[in-house]
Amino acid sequence: EVQLQQSGPEVGRPGSSVKISCKASGYTFTDYVMNWVKQSPGQGLEWIGWIDPEYGSTDYAEKFKKKATLTADTSSNTAYIQLSSLTSEDTATYFCAWGSPFAYWGQGTLVTVSS
Amino acid sequence: DIQMTQSPASLSASLEEIVTITCKASQGIDDYLSWYQQKPGKSPQLLIYDATSLADGVPSRFSGSRSGTQYSLKISRPQVDDSGIYYCLQSYSTPYTFGAGTKLELK
Repeated sequence: EVQLQQSGPEVGRPGSSVKISCKASGYTFTDYVMNWVKQSPGQGLEWIGWIDPEYGSTDYAEKFKKKATLTADTSSNTAYIQLSSLTSEDTATYFCAWGSPFAYWGQGTLVTVSS
Repeated sequence: DIQMTQSPASLSASLEEIVTITCKASQGIDDYLSWYQQKPGKSPQLLIYDATSLADGVPSRFSGSRSGTQYSLKISRPQVDDSGIYYCLQSYSTPYTFGAGTKLELK
């Protein structure tokens, strides 16, 4: 059974960075890319980008190119997203999603930006 | 970027109706279109992929279709548990784009 287990809620100060993890199990981690999706409070879904865990290659939506950094650790089957220079606009729930299309989703990680 | 125009934004339907939600793509997406249901506080759940294929475990009252660049999700005789927000997603080319969502209330 495919499972994506995300790390717990984060609180970050404005200007700081946070890093969220997504640990995969139940499939071969390098079989397909891992996507990340943002959902601001009360809003819809936004695709952030994907990472190919096998090669480390990435693709980002333009608006997230300077905001998000996607990495993956094949030794622990874990994907990460780091969000930098946090502002209130980054307060949101972040999901990892795997499969073609997004057949499996993590439970989401709430990031709150607050001083 | 490919724009996905989803409608309606919200609807209220009875359990005897056929519910239809549409997404119009701004260009051809070769049926790389999927539908998701999201309930409050939960992750989205895949319903339909490749425009018309039913995801594993999804009830057969859900179906997908296409006419030109307009894609539709149909729910036949919806159940109360089908309440939630529905999104379409195009995964034809990056940046992948979601529709704005349709909030479905069953009465």
